[in-house]
Amino acid sequence: QVQLVQSGAEAKKPGASMKVSCKTSGYIFTGYSLQWVRQAPGQGLEWMGRINPDSGATTYAQKFQGRVTMTGDSSMNTAYMELDRLTFDDTAVYFCARETEAWGCIGGPCLNWLDFWGQGTLVTVSS
Amino acid sequence: DIQMTQSPSSLAASVGDRVTITCRASESIGNHLNWYQQKLGRAPRLLIYVVSSLQSGVPSRFSGNGSGTDFTLTISSLQPDDFATYYCQESHTTPFAFGGGTRVEIK
Repeated sequence: QVQLVQSGAEAKKPGASMKVSCKTSGYIFTGYSLQWVRQAPGQGLEWMGRINPDSGATTYAQKFQGRVTMTGDSSMNTAYMELDRLTFDDTAVYFCARETEAWGCIGGPCLNWLDFWGQGTLVTVSS
Repeated sequence: DIQMTQSPSSLAASVGDRVTITCRASESIGNHLNWYQQKLGRAPRLLIYVVSSLQSGVPSRFSGNGSGTDFTLTISSLQPDDFATYYCQESHTTPFAFGGGTRVEIK
């Protein structure tokens, strides 16, 4: 069965970097893109970006450009999301999610959805 | 960027009630609209994709409708397990924005 298992909770200081891992199993790692989503305490879901583990191509939300790096290691079936120069506002639960795309997408935006999610990783930024 | 607006932000309903949640996109997204359910302390769960397709294992009391800019999620007969927060997400243009969420509470 498809599983996404994320790394454990982290405590960071302002200015530090964080790196969350998302180990996948039960499907072909390079066959699906992964999206990263975060949720601040008591808040809604915020889209951070996506990675195509096959090509390595990434798309980041403008808000995180220059501060976020998403990578994939196909030998480990694991994706990573690194966020630099942390501030208190980066305190959140970070989720990875598998993106499934509709068949036969030719040109134009492809239909896609997030069908499997990791359990989430709490990152707390405090001094 | 596309903005997704959900309404209401919260609602209180009773078991057996019919509940409808609305999601509006700031520009047309065709049928690129998905719905997720999230319970406290848990990861979101896919309910409906491409406006109206029910994810495997999701009860048939959940349904979705709409196109372009206006979409709805309906729970035909609310069950105790349905008390949660619901989010829409557009998958048309990055950043794939989420709606602000609708919290469904027990009346």
